[in-house]
Amino acid sequence: AQKITQTQPGMFVQEKEAVTLDCTYDTSDPSYGLFWYKQPSSGEMIFLIYQGSYDQQNATEGRYSLNFQKARKSANLVISASQLGDSAMYFCAMRGLRMDSSYKLIFGSGTRLLVRP
Amino acid sequence: EAGVAQSPRYKIIEKRQSVAFWCNPISGHATLYWYQQILGQGPKLLIQFQNNGVVDDSQLPKDRFSAERLKGVDSTLKIQPAKLEDSAVYLCASSSEGYNEQFFGPGTRLTVL
Repeated sequence: AQKITQTQPGMFVQEKEAVTLDCTYDTSDPSYGLFWYKQPSSGEMIFLIYQGSYDQQNATEGRYSLNFQKARKSANLVISASQLGDSAMYFCAMRGLRMDSSYKLIFGSGTRLLVRP
Repeated sequence: EAGVAQSPRYKIIEKRQSVAFWCNPISGHATLYWYQQILGQGPKLLIQFQNNGVVDDSQLPKDRFSAERLKGVDSTLKIQPAKLEDSAVYLCASSSEGYNEQFFGPGTRLTVL
């Protein structure tokens, strides 16, 4: 069974500083993908970044980077130079990559980030 | 490119009533997902379609929930009869193929009184 754990219900960060949101996972799939989504108060899930289990390098997308530590089964999201617009819920998710597996995303419980001016 | 459309955005009903939600995926996307997001939790997959066929409905409460995707494009999710615990946001997502990135709609917020 697959499971995602996000242990930080809420986080504060000062504007322009960096923040790390924690995510650990558990899976028996040999190949899997890890995702981070942002959910503002409007409710829409916005894709931020993706890391494949077979990728050697950590993924980066602009101010977002994923600190992937396979042996520790962690996939933390790092947001650099926080902006007020980063205030939102953040969800870590995973799914299997085998062609015969369901492609459903398994989500964690989320972390609410509040950026202080 | 237009995103995933959902309607209505909000719905309030009394328990034991019926309700239906509509989703229009991104044009050309073969895979469509319905997720349920209860307050304070992450989304949970209810059902996944590949074109007009069901791929995964293992977590769909089939005694009260039903979904269809006629012609492999639009989809409707129905709850009949609704229970208090069905209060949640219902998110629709689509992807060009099952293994590609999923794009989410704005969701329908359901309140059951």
